Amino acid sequence: GAGVSQSPSNKVTEKGKDVELRCDPISGHTALYWYRQSLGQGLEFLIYFQGNSAPDKSGLPSDRFSAERTGGSVSTLTIQRTQQEDSAVYLCASSLRPGVYGYTFGSGTRLTVV
Amino acid sequence: QQPVQSPQAVILREGEDAVINCSSSKALYSVHWYRQKHGEAPVFLMILLKGGEQKGHEKISASFNEKKQQSSLYLTASQLSYSGTYFCGPSVGSQGNLIFGKGTKLSVKP
Repeated sequence: GAGVSQSPSNKVTEKGKDVELRCDPISGHTALYWYRQSLGQGLEFLIYFQGNSAPDKSGLPSDRFSAERTGGSVSTLTIQRTQQEDSAVYLCASSLRPGVYGYTFGSGTRLTVV
Repeated sequence: QQPVQSPQAVILREGEDAVINCSSSKALYSVHWYRQKHGEAPVFLMILLKGGEQKGHEKISASFNEKKQQSSLYLTASQLSYSGTYFCGPSVGSQGNLIFGKGTKLSVKP
């Protein structure tokens, strides 16, 4: 596609439920990133996929968070047993060649845990 | 590990200039700069690779001093459209993720 697509754009869930967030990166971009942005805060790194390499999961805040990337394209971020502190905007970004080209961010998924 | 941005916030009148600084404790390969408007996703402005280069984008330019592990973003003759939060994202290698600074909120008033 022309840009990075994320779905859903908004998600309201009850505490304790599981949620799945989807990211469809720009075609041909080998690098894919997930970031989290709480209200009025900065961009918190979560996880990074590069080609067929093992993902860098060093930013995941707990084992309730996991992500996968299928076929080097679409990625899904899963949050199990959601907590209120998980409420934030989850941003996905992709890049053609990290370190040389910039990231293109999607519009994000606003997650609200009630 | 997170880069330090300064100032945290700045208010300008249209036509005024501003400088945003970004400092890292690690040796850098490149520095990215992004602008995020309220309620929108961050938008890539420019990337500077090691070598002390300076780049420009409209009336926005940046410099990168790899020895000092610092980058600065220069906004000249600011316009209302420049308002937003600016993030720097240094990279320590040609691969890997960016760890962004906390951002600098820029407000340009008429």
